Amino acid sequence: EPEVTQTPSHQVTQMGQEVILRCVPISNHLYFYWYRQILGQKVEFLVSFYNNEISEKSEIFDDQFSVERPDGSNFTLKIRSTKLEDSAMYFCASRTSGTYEQYFGPGTRLTVT
Amino acid sequence: GEDVEQSLFLSVREGDSSVINCTYTDSSSTYLYWYKQEPGAGLQLLTYIFSNMDMKQDQRLTVLLNKKDKHLSLRIADTQTGDSAIYFCAEMGGDKIIFGKGTRLHILP
Repeated sequence: EPEVTQTPSHQVTQMGQEVILRCVPISNHLYFYWYRQILGQKVEFLVSFYNNEISEKSEIFDDQFSVERPDGSNFTLKIRSTKLEDSAMYFCASRTSGTYEQYFGPGTRLTVT
Repeated sequence: GEDVEQSLFLSVREGDSSVINCTYTDSSSTYLYWYKQEPGAGLQLLTYIFSNMDMKQDQRLTVLLNKKDKHLSLRIADTQTGDSAIYFCAEMGGDKIIFGKGTRLHILP
């Protein structure tokens, strides 16, 4: 069964460093998303992406964040200068057109020290 | 604004039915979801229901939707130890999913 994959599973970085989190959505999906879950809190929407542009973004998704689909398979989230409060589990999700079932990857745990 | 509320913990004996309840706020939500998260794992889409339905059954899972009260429930029949997980209720808000905090289901022997 096709699934969303994410790498790395765990990333440790120092405050102020740039990180890139990678996702490979399900191959025939056209809509892509990033969510995050700070430990003990709700899963929160960050951004949605379709047709090579951002469809919607939350207040969390400020200028420090960017997304890109650099090729036909990858979808990346970049955090330009990480802060301690960016420590969280980051989930990528995707869906196909005609349905609103979003399928999630296993997540990348980001730890900012 | 959009919000989803659910109780944080539920303990159930193995073999009994589990019922996880949830309330949501956005009456225009067309999809309502249940996701399962096992320890150390991602979010698994368990089931979903369209807002024009009252009930959906899928093997051991039954979803009930009361649109008037904006209440959603997930019933797991014959609960097994493998059902131990966090269950997230969620609603569709535009093209994004709005999650509750999750209900941790604990199975008693």
